[in-house]
Amino acid sequence: GAGVSQSPRYKVAKRGQDVALRCDPISGHVSLFWYQQALGQGPEFLTYFQNEAQLDKSGLPSDRFFAERPEGSVSTLKIQRTQKEDSAVYLCASSLGPGEANYGYTFGSGTRLTVV
Amino acid sequence: QKEVEQNSGPLSVPEGAIASLNCTYSDRGSQSFFWYRQYSGKSPELIMSIYSNGDKEDGRFTAQLNKASQYVSLLIRDSQPSDSATYLCAVNRATDSWGKLQFGAGTQVVVTP
Repeated sequence: GAGVSQSPRYKVAKRGQDVALRCDPISGHVSLFWYQQALGQGPEFLTYFQNEAQLDKSGLPSDRFFAERPEGSVSTLKIQRTQKEDSAVYLCASSLGPGEANYGYTFGSGTRLTVV
Repeated sequence: QKEVEQNSGPLSVPEGAIASLNCTYSDRGSQSFFWYRQYSGKSPELIMSIYSNGDKEDGRFTAQLNKASQYVSLLIRDSQPSDSATYLCAVNRATDSWGKLQFGAGTQVVVTP
């Protein structure tokens, strides 16, 4: 595809349920970012991958959050035992490489997670 | 103190007027600065980037950067109703050389016909 693809677009989870959010970056893009955007706030950084290596996970809010990119392309953000405060839009972005990322990048459409 | 600060608005602007949005940042080592536009229910869209002091113009948009005062601004000339959106300021720090962004909370702009 032409852009970053995320699925599902919407997810409703019962509190305590595990969820998995998928990001398909632009083909060939080395850098991949996950951000979390709560209602009325700007996006907050969660984690960064360079190929399959997770180089920064400093923004993951708790050990219930886990991200992987095993083959250096598709990435999955997993949230275990979801809580109401996890309700947010989860945004993924990719870039050709770390140098290019410094010139800005485009986000996917996001996954809106609602925990009830 | 948040690393990137913006007035939340809403900023009400008559159609055809200039909208002026401001953003301040705390890390003097910041090197790259971006403005994203976000329509309600949509993801942020990159509209401007600026890296050195001064002005950068792109169509109806002008970004201004003053590193000494640690602020970056966005001017929207000839504002149109389609410019009604939330504008997010984002900053890349030199210590995050691989592209991590710090975002402000955004300024909501409402262009009234």
